[in-house]
Amino acid sequence: DAKTTQPPSMDCAEGRAANLPCNHSTISGNEYVYWYRQIHSQGPQYIIHGLKNNETNEMASLIITEDRKSSTLILPHATLRDTAVYYCIVRPNRDDKIIFGKGTRLHILP
Amino acid sequence: GAGVSQTPSNKVTEKGKYVELRCDPISGHTALYWYRQSLGQGPEFLIYFQGTGAADDSGLPNDRFFAVRPEGSVSTLKIQRTERGDSAVYLCASSLTRDSYEQYFGPGTRLTVT
Repeated sequence: DAKTTQPPSMDCAEGRAANLPCNHSTISGNEYVYWYRQIHSQGPQYIIHGLKNNETNEMASLIITEDRKSSTLILPHATLRDTAVYYCIVRPNRDDKIIFGKGTRLHILP
Repeated sequence: GAGVSQTPSNKVTEKGKYVELRCDPISGHTALYWYRQSLGQGPEFLIYFQGTGAADDSGLPNDRFFAVRPEGSVSTLKIQRTERGDSAVYLCASSLTRDSYEQYFGPGTRLTVT
């Protein structure tokens, strides 16, 4: 079973920052937080991952709380192409499979 | 470079028939994964290969499902005696090694069992 809880859907205005929350209160010390997204009719796409420090790359920023029980994925300037289902996943670094939940369906509004 | 490719993109078959789904991973990737995605759900893990061997097949739902990767590159997922409940999108992913952070997914094969 997925070890994360996400809202089923969110809306965000185009050009604004999209902040997607994730609860992972049972996360273990060796588990990373990963984010993937899935655009309609495509396979999932890796976005970012982190252990305890905040991370940023060309796609997004990941903010993890100090107790590591929750995190937020931030898309700084959302565009219509960011409309997708976003999956928050906890995964031991050296594990193999990804356990997906139902994710958050993000709608970017023009 | 080329990503993960899957063929066919769509497959319609009758209940009871046998089907094969093919996955071509990114060249040089040693790890290969199969997932299944039903409508409205996240992908569900089926099986993972490291090289030619199945390192974890704990997600295969029953013995009608089988997968091979004989030369450590292309993989085939085989489903015998298909049932309507097998209808789903079958996704393949590959990563450079087992410990790689990122899995690269293909576009999937949509299987419909009538």
